[in-house]
Amino acid sequence: KQEVTQIPAALSVPEGENLVLNCSFTDSAIYNLQWFRQDPGKGLTSLLLIQSSQREQTSGRLNASLDKSSGRSTLYIAASQPGDSATYLCAVGDSYKLIFGSGTRLLVRP
Amino acid sequence: KAGVTQTPRYLIKTRGQQVTLSCSPISGHRSVSWYQQTPGQGLQFLFEYFSETQRNKGNFPGRFSGRQFSNSRSEMNVSTLELGDSALYLCASNLEGVTDTQYFGPGTRLTVL
Repeated sequence: KQEVTQIPAALSVPEGENLVLNCSFTDSAIYNLQWFRQDPGKGLTSLLLIQSSQREQTSGRLNASLDKSSGRSTLYIAASQPGDSATYLCAVGDSYKLIFGSGTRLLVRP
Repeated sequence: KAGVTQTPRYLIKTRGQQVTLSCSPISGHRSVSWYQQTPGQGLQFLFEYFSETQRNKGNFPGRFSGRQFSNSRSEMNVSTLELGDSALYLCASNLEGVTDTQYFGPGTRLTVL
């Protein structure tokens, strides 16, 4: 059974720092991996989708990598801003559904 | 392009009642999935509809059901509500299925008293 873990559960950093969020999964047979952002009480905003054949994807200040063999993905955020404060969720595509981690709550302090 | 819309945004019901939630996907998207989000269990898959057919179902009791219309709009229904059904219900829209980017709506916050 696929399990997705995100570490750390919470992170507080000063504005301007570069940071890395981690996601691990137990079964390497995935279709893809997607990173989302969720603001309090809101829906999920898709940030990056990495297909199983890809190693990384970039969008602006965000870079996500995927290593299927080790069951790991990282989301790198460059030059963090207070507006980046949110919960970040990773999810693996497992045949027909997404299996989510429990998220990393990020606070970027001004 | 308009995003995924969900109605209503908030609902308060009492135990034993039933509720219907609605999701309108992005134009051209044929797949709609539903997820339940709670503090204790996180995000869990409920079911997926594609071209008016339920393709997949998660591990939820039969009180949870859904349907999809010819215009791809989807509804989910929960009968005989229980306190534990209080959650944020999210729907995700995509072109064909899990291999595509999933676009989520803002969710419906259901509170069962």
